[in-house]
Amino acid sequence: DAKTTQPNSMESNEEEPVHLPCNHSTISGTDYIHWYRQLPSQGPEYVIHGLTSNVNNRMASLAIAEDRKSSTLILHRATLRDAAVYYCILRDPSYDKVIFGPGTSLSVIP
Amino acid sequence: EAGVAQSPRYKIIEKRQSVAFWCNPISGHATLYWYQQILGQGPKLLIQFQNNGVVDDSQLPKDRFSAERLKGVDSTLKIQPAKLEDSAVYLCASSLELGLDYEQYFGPGTRLTVT
Repeated sequence: DAKTTQPNSMESNEEEPVHLPCNHSTISGTDYIHWYRQLPSQGPEYVIHGLTSNVNNRMASLAIAEDRKSSTLILHRATLRDAAVYYCILRDPSYDKVIFGPGTSLSVIP
Repeated sequence: EAGVAQSPRYKIIEKRQSVAFWCNPISGHATLYWYQQILGQGPKLLIQFQNNGVVDDSQLPKDRFSAERLKGVDSTLKIQPAKLEDSAVYLCASSLELGLDYEQYFGPGTRLTVT
């Protein structure tokens, strides 16, 4: 399975943008990039996913490098409720399994 | 829309005892997953069902763990006998169908402590 690498932790000030990086240098051509987040004492929740093009939804934006070896999850204005562990996951369409790494623990400072 | 329900939320047992967790997925969701999340780690898939059939149980310790989804709706995960290293949060998730287009919805989890 292709692996992802994320920083263990990051900090952001409230109401500022946050850029969460993810490296996936061994990504295959068919792997999708998914992001989930896990708020304290809750199960993970889906954030966004993409294949090649940048993606936007109501929660976040996903910027994918041209060579697809890295991606960045962008929270446009961090709030205290965005404090969570963020997981970057590669999903192979022929292998329907979500493999979580340790993720990035995001702290938001008021 | 009601989310994924799990019970109990917390359970404390002694090693070598048995325990069972229950999951009720979102109505209409065909695919159901059980994950184990050890403190400080990401969730690890234990077993995946499509309706009442097992799709993947390659990471389920079958000597002590079992799971069923008899009518293709609710599911039960059992541990018998429990070991200290089974202390973790057990998460249930469901999705409408198999495939990347269908996001997984997670329940709140059951926190198991084995003493």
